[in-house]
Amino acid sequence: DGGITQSPKYLFRKEGQNVTLSCEQNLNHDAMYWYRQDPGQGLRLIYYSQIVNDFQKGDIAEGYSVSREKKESFPLTVTSAQKNPTAFYLCASSNRGAYNEQFFGPGTRLTVL
Amino acid sequence: SQQGEEDPQALSIQEGENATMNCSYKTSINNLQWYRQNSGRGLVHLILIRSNEREKHSGRLRVTLDTSKKSSSLLITASRAADTASYFCATDPITQGGSEKLVFGKGMKLTVNP
Repeated sequence: DGGITQSPKYLFRKEGQNVTLSCEQNLNHDAMYWYRQDPGQGLRLIYYSQIVNDFQKGDIAEGYSVSREKKESFPLTVTSAQKNPTAFYLCASSNRGAYNEQFFGPGTRLTVL
Repeated sequence: SQQGEEDPQALSIQEGENATMNCSYKTSINNLQWYRQNSGRGLVHLILIRSNEREKHSGRLRVTLDTSKKSSSLLITASRAADTASYFCATDPITQGGSEKLVFGKGMKLTVNP
């Protein structure tokens, strides 16, 4: 099955800890994205990557970091510098030149205890 | 930055009725897309309309685009309880350098009562 996966589905973190959210795709897409969604809100872009070994900050990159060492993987680290990390995190990918239609993973719900 | 704004923010209808959602945006776009999100899940792409198109159909979905008014509407005909979800419009803005980012609205919650 082709698709995009995120793990874990639920994640609990103590304040002051860094956590890494996984995102993997086997769609052979060049571009990948991380969004944050708060209750009743739209999606806000954290980071995106259009090609391996390159990524750009989105609208709310502070307190987050990413890497793109492989085409199929785009992990997101939520650092202790992120003041309010409790949220629903969505990863997406798209094929460059295909009108930027994005395919989404199922999401990871992060809760800071 | 939020570009798309859906209207209304919430809509409750009976099964079989039509549902219309509107989206307004601010800048010139390459295309506009509509996505659906079931509670606690990822988004699913529904339909895309390019800036040079005015209307598009896909099954029970009909989307229109008016670039002069910077607005779009999504019509779901003969709604079903399974259509209950949040719906988002997303714009692909024209930018220098052609960065491939979508800008999502805050979403509209549709409830279809059986």
